[in-house]
Amino acid sequence: ETGVTQSPTHLIKTRGQQVTLRCSSQSGHNTVSWYQQALGQGPQFIFQYYREEENGRGNFPPRFSGLQFPNYSSELNVNALELDDSALYLCASSLGIGTGGEQYFGPGTRLTVT
Amino acid sequence: KNEVEQSPQNLTAQEGEFITINCSYSVGISALHWLQQHPGGGIVSLFMLSSGKKKHGRLIATINIQEKHSSLHITASHPRDSAVYICAVDPFGKDQFYFGTGTSLTVIP
Repeated sequence: ETGVTQSPTHLIKTRGQQVTLRCSSQSGHNTVSWYQQALGQGPQFIFQYYREEENGRGNFPPRFSGLQFPNYSSELNVNALELDDSALYLCASSLGIGTGGEQYFGPGTRLTVT
Repeated sequence: KNEVEQSPQNLTAQEGEFITINCSYSVGISALHWLQQHPGGGIVSLFMLSSGKKKHGRLIATINIQEKHSSLHITASHPRDSAVYICAVDPFGKDQFYFGTGTSLTVIP
């Protein structure tokens, strides 16, 4: 059984560019949630995907978008990057929604926007 | 105002000390989670609570739903406990969390 993996580990982009971050969920998990963690802060909920559909969204603009694939892996896309988008991006997978099951976090992708 | 407040923000302890980290929240919740984050970012789930108390090894977590407060205790602290401890609440029962800003713990040998 493999854990949650994310790629890339680190990324440097220029303001205005676009970025795609990837997350492979824990085997058998059909729910993926994405979080943004600025330096020195707690994570902030971006959105959640359940069985390939968006199932909830936090207070993030539409330039943050996502996808979940039939194998339940997921992508986070950010368009028109801004300096404040520099953060650690975490994904977490779980089985079902609100089932009381544990969420498993990936190691994160550290994005730096210059 | 953040829905989840943690205290203290930073904590330094001598090895062997008993440690308490507090979490207060302002929303109704279906569950509260305690998480551990090591340098570099990896997050591990320690506890999920909806009532009462849970214990795992030297870690104890309690929650008082009426007072909207939870505590994480570490007995006989060890340098390997050094990490950031984060409280997260699940208001809607959908595994969509509000997080505290974390408590950075350093245990000195």
